[in-house]
Amino acid sequence: KNEVEQSPQNLTAQEGEFITINCSYSVGISALHWLQQHPGGGIVSLFMLSSGKKKHGRLIATINIQEKHSSLHITASHPRDSAVYICAVYNTDKLIFGTGTRLQVFP
Amino acid sequence: GAGVSQTPSNKVTEKGKYVELRCDPISGHTALYWYRQSLGQGPEFLIYFQGTGAADDSGLPNDRFFAVRPEGSVSTLKIQRTERGDSAVYLCASSEFGRAVNEQFFGPGTRLTVL
Repeated sequence: KNEVEQSPQNLTAQEGEFITINCSYSVGISALHWLQQHPGGGIVSLFMLSSGKKKHGRLIATINIQEKHSSLHITASHPRDSAVYICAVYNTDKLIFGTGTRLQVFP
Repeated sequence: GAGVSQTPSNKVTEKGKYVELRCDPISGHTALYWYRQSLGQGPEFLIYFQGTGAADDSGLPNDRFFAVRPEGSVSTLKIQRTERGDSAVYLCASSEFGRAVNEQFFGPGTRLTVL
């Protein structure tokens, strides 16, 4: 069993739909990262959070430390949101990554 | 300001050859991390430097892999006697203080293909 699990693995949506990606982890963490990876490999940090909720534009990330669960929401999805979204947790001094959720948003 | 850069962006080599992958972190970042990402998988930790020293090299898969950061800035990941299974994207990241809660900034990666 992976220490960080994401669901779903693949997600397709129509433009404008509300999207939720889930992340569950089984290790102790000090913080959690949501990352975006576009084709070609570059990784961009979206959020780093250790409690509660953060919002940036159409993106919202929440974390429940007691339940060891985080969600990434995208409101009013757009084709340019198509990417792989990766959850990663800080365990001691290194990141442990989920396998990612591949999102495709169609116009 | 300049982000994390990695060179080369692509490297094709033959089985058994030696390769070096370079990472230039963000200026002033004391912590540097190497990760490896196989196709369809999330990145996996390889090694973490705090300054010049390897603080945690527990992710290096075997003794063919070695990394250095002699002046506490640029790092080189070295792979000896490459194998086809080493083919992956090698990612580098840096952070300001090297503690767990400091955000890591990623480079674009080096795609290594071993034929």
